[in-house]
Amino acid sequence: KQEVTQIPAALSVPEGENLVLNCSFTDSAIYNLQWFRQDPGKGLTSLLLIQSSQREQTSGRLNASLDKSSGRSTLYIAASQPGDSATYLCAVPNAGKSTFGDGTTLTVKP
Amino acid sequence: DGGITQSPKYLFRKEGQNVTLSCEQNLNHDAMYWYRQDPGQGLRLIYYSQIVNDFQKGDIAEGYSVSREKKESFPLTVTSAQKNPTAFYLCASSIDRRGDSNQPQHFGDGTRLSIL
Repeated sequence: KQEVTQIPAALSVPEGENLVLNCSFTDSAIYNLQWFRQDPGKGLTSLLLIQSSQREQTSGRLNASLDKSSGRSTLYIAASQPGDSATYLCAVPNAGKSTFGDGTTLTVKP
Repeated sequence: DGGITQSPKYLFRKEGQNVTLSCEQNLNHDAMYWYRQDPGQGLRLIYYSQIVNDFQKGDIAEGYSVSREKKESFPLTVTSAQKNPTAFYLCASSIDRRGDSNQPQHFGDGTRLSIL
């Protein structure tokens, strides 16, 4: 059974700092990995989807990498801003279902 | 605009009562999903449907029921058998051409269910 772990559970950084969020998964036979953002009391917004054949995806200040062999993905946020404060979740699909990590709650202090 | 609409935003359930959460999408997606989120935790899959008139149990289906009579709609009923229903419920959809797991999921804004 696929298990997804996100470390750390919470992270607080000053504005302008570059940061890395981590996502680990136990079964490397994945089709893709998706990173989401969730604001308090809201649904999930898709940030990036990395297909199994890719190693990286970039969108603006966000860069996600995928290393299937080691079962890891990272989300890099450059020049963090207070508006980046949210919970970030990663998810791995399998046969029509998705397994989610518990998320990393990021606080960017002005 | 295309998207997923969940209603109501807040819902209260009395003891022994069944309640139904609505999820509608106009994205022409084949697959729809229901997740439950508890505080500080990730999402757990309740039910999913890849095609009209067919659905599958997820990891925590006990105490819940669904129907998929139309492509656009996937309502979730929280029955009285679900003893701990207080949670945030999220509906999602994806294109999911049969066997294609490379399509991203799109989410609604959720329904928060509480017990009176």
